[in-house]
Amino acid sequence: DGGITQSPKYLFRKEGQNVTLSCEQNLNHDAMYWYRQDPGQGLRLIYYSQIVNDFQKGDIAEGYSVSREKKESFPLTVTSAQKNPTAFYLCASSMGVRTEAFFGQGTRLTVV
Amino acid sequence: QQPVQSPQAVILREGEDAVINCSSSKALYSVHWYRQKHGEAPVFLMILLKGGEQKGHEKISASFNEKKQQSSLYLTASQLSYSGTYFCGTHLADRGSTLGRLYFGRGTQLTVWP
Repeated sequence: DGGITQSPKYLFRKEGQNVTLSCEQNLNHDAMYWYRQDPGQGLRLIYYSQIVNDFQKGDIAEGYSVSREKKESFPLTVTSAQKNPTAFYLCASSMGVRTEAFFGQGTRLTVV
Repeated sequence: QQPVQSPQAVILREGEDAVINCSSSKALYSVHWYRQKHGEAPVFLMILLKGGEQKGHEKISASFNEKKQQSSLYLTASQLSYSGTYFCGTHLADRGSTLGRLYFGRGTQLTVWP
């Protein structure tokens, strides 16, 4: 079955450590997105990519980095520069601006 | 760049209707609507495109006023399963640096009681 997979579902890290969240899709979608969700804040765009080897910053990119070396994969690294990394992270993909986005199940990151 | 949603929360009895609004300060190419249950992924409901095309859920309807840069989601004869947080997402019509970005609002929490 086609879909978008995020792993792991729960992640715990110590403050000061970098951590990478995985996002893989087999929908043959060109566009992929990373969002951060905090209570009452909605979904805030971290990074997005419209095509392989190209990605753009969203509204809250500071302290995060991404890569898009393969069409299927769009990993997000939360660096030690991110001041408040504890949040629910959602990855999404779509064919383009005329079609819906499909979301992964999310990764809940807790930094202690 | 986040669209603005209203109201923030709605409480209904089963069978009642609700309207959720979404507005943007910039011209829009498309508006998406999603519903999210707590701790789960958002689920697609509907997409409305510039020019009038729309695709989505059979029992939920929506409108898109391109000139006013606004969209509304209409939930009629609500069911218990409609409870959740509703998000609107927008693709801007700007062909410049924001092309391709999908922005979401802060959400509207809908609770349906029996």
